[in-house]
Amino acid sequence: AQTVTQSQPEMSVQEAETVTLSCTYDTSESDYYLFWYKQPPSRQMILVIRQEAYKQQNATENRFSVNFQKAAKSFSLKISDSQLGDAAMYFCAYRSANQGGSEKLVFGKGTKLTVNP
Amino acid sequence: GAVVSQHPSWVICKSGTSVKIECRSLDFQATTMFWYRQFPKQSLMLMATSNEGSKATYEQGVEKDKFLINHASLTLSTLTVTSAHPEDSSFYICSAARSGSYEQYFGPGTRLTVT
Repeated sequence: AQTVTQSQPEMSVQEAETVTLSCTYDTSESDYYLFWYKQPPSRQMILVIRQEAYKQQNATENRFSVNFQKAAKSFSLKISDSQLGDAAMYFCAYRSANQGGSEKLVFGKGTKLTVNP
Repeated sequence: GAVVSQHPSWVICKSGTSVKIECRSLDFQATTMFWYRQFPKQSLMLMATSNEGSKATYEQGVEKDKFLINHASLTLSTLTVTSAHPEDSSFYICSAARSGSYEQYFGPGTRLTVT
């Protein structure tokens, strides 16, 4: 079974600075998707960024970028120019891309990010 | 596009009663819907996966007779918590996916309090 590990329960960053959230995963599959979701105090899950495992290029979305290391099974999220609105729980998630594979998302335990003004 | 709604957003019920939570995909057809439970300061725990017109597939440890899931149409899934007890108090989140798509779209969640 696939597992996702987020080893940082809490992180903090100064406004305008850069922070990196860690995520590692375990799988025997070769094709899959990885996601970072943000859950603010409203508790609405918001997709931040996604990465297809077959793509070597790291995904970027404005101030958010990932460092995807397939061999190391690592998928970290970098937030640049942190803003107060970035404060939230961040969840790393895995989904199989194999034909006939599970449609389920496997979530990590989350990292609570605090942004200090 | 890809908006998912949940109703109600917050419900309080007495112990022993049943409560129904609705999950709707507003602007797309959802062939698959997922129900999650989230305790405070914890991650999302998948309860079950439902496909339109089929019986839901429950995760290990989830009581299917207690958490009844119905996915009667391509835009609506319901979760009924039967004979609710205080320990069922939690935040319930649904998500929906289009056919052939890997992306799940999440609803805003429902807070259930059982007194």
